[in-house]
Amino acid sequence: EAGVAQSPRYKIIEKRQSVAFWCNPISGHATLYWYQQILGQGPKLLIQFQNNGVVDDSQLPKDRFSAERLKGVDSTLKIQPAKLEDSAVYLCASSPNSNQPQHFGDGTRLSIL
Amino acid sequence: GEDVEQSLFLSVREGDSSVINCTYTDSSSTYLYWYKQEPGAGLQLLTYIFSNMDMKQDQRLTVLLNKKDKHLSLRIADTQTGDSAIYFCAESPPGTYKYIFGTGTRLKVLA
Repeated sequence: EAGVAQSPRYKIIEKRQSVAFWCNPISGHATLYWYQQILGQGPKLLIQFQNNGVVDDSQLPKDRFSAERLKGVDSTLKIQPAKLEDSAVYLCASSPNSNQPQHFGDGTRLSIL
Repeated sequence: GEDVEQSLFLSVREGDSSVINCTYTDSSSTYLYWYKQEPGAGLQLLTYIFSNMDMKQDQRLTVLLNKKDKHLSLRIADTQTGDSAIYFCAESPPGTYKYIFGTGTRLKVLA
């Protein structure tokens, strides 16, 4: 079974630029999550989708972050404009449904200069 | 406390047992998880325990749950150098399916 795929693996941008990350969950998984993991910390949930609907985006900084999962499969997370404090690893996870264990991708490491 | 707490570092000799501890926040949490993160990689699900269980064993891994003290532990028997990684515990509070992660314990296995 193919795992959660994320791209790119690494991204370096300057502050105030825009960036987008892509996630392809495990086939058939209805629930998709985006996490932010700052160096030395555990992951923190940004947004949770159930199919193409948002379940929880209470921790998403909506003034600069946006995410979509239009067809209920792939998802993109965008930051516009980026700030220095957005430097982190952005992890995507999926699960068959929201009450089942989450499986993580390898993440995108974002560095803001 | 409001945070899931873990000690930052643990160092053991190859072949010894490792015990990684976690204190979580919500005694009503339904599931508790252990994940492993190797350098440059995402989180790998190791095991999880339902809140009505006290113990779960899976090959070299043993999970102990003390609900009264909100304490979770992961024991790795016969620790190998390949077990060197950061280990995260996570809780899933009731009424939500989000995970709240600890800060992670960095396990170093000495040959």
